Amino acid sequence: AQTVTQSQPEMSVQEAETVTLSCTYDTSESDYYLFWYKQPPSRQMILVIRQEAYKQQNATENRFSVNFQKAAKSFSLKISDSQLGDAAMYFCAYRRVRRGKLIFGQGTELSVKP
Amino acid sequence: DAGVIQSPRHEVTEMGQEVTLRCKPISGHDYLFWYRQTMMRGLELLIYFNNNVPIDDSGMPEDRFSAKMPNASFSTLKIQPSEPRDSAVYFCASSSGLGPSEQYFGPGTRLTVT
Repeated sequence: AQTVTQSQPEMSVQEAETVTLSCTYDTSESDYYLFWYKQPPSRQMILVIRQEAYKQQNATENRFSVNFQKAAKSFSLKISDSQLGDAAMYFCAYRRVRRGKLIFGQGTELSVKP
Repeated sequence: DAGVIQSPRHEVTEMGQEVTLRCKPISGHDYLFWYRQTMMRGLELLIYFNNNVPIDDSGMPEDRFSAKMPNASFSTLKIQPSEPRDSAVYFCASSSGLGPSEQYFGPGTRLTVT
């Protein structure tokens, strides 16, 4: 069975600084998708960034980028120039190709200090 | 588009009562998902539909839970009878296809069973 692990329950970053959130996963599949979702206090789940496993290039969305290490089964999220609005719970998620089920990690709560 | 719509946003009920949660997916999306979020178990998939047909209901906890999708624009998740351990946030999400496409989440329903 596939699993997703986020080893950092809480992280803190100073405004304008950079922070990296860790995620590892376990799968025997070779093709799959990885996602980072953000859940602010409003509890709305918002997609931050996605990565297709067959693509070697790391995904980037403005201040958000990932470090995808397929062999190590690692998928970390880097937030540059952190803003107060980035404070939220961040979930790493995995989904097999042609399957609908998202498998989530336990989440990392990020706080941003002004 | 209005996004995924869920109702009610909050529900408080007594143990033993029937609870019905409702969801309207984004127009044109052919996949609909029900997730549950608790502190103990995190975010987990309960069931998902493709073109109104249930595809994977392996996450449905027990016979007290049932889900239906009578048409492309409406789904319900019913709990009968409800128990305190059902207290959670229930999310509905929808997507177009099973490629790397995003699952768009609704705002969730916070259910409290006393």
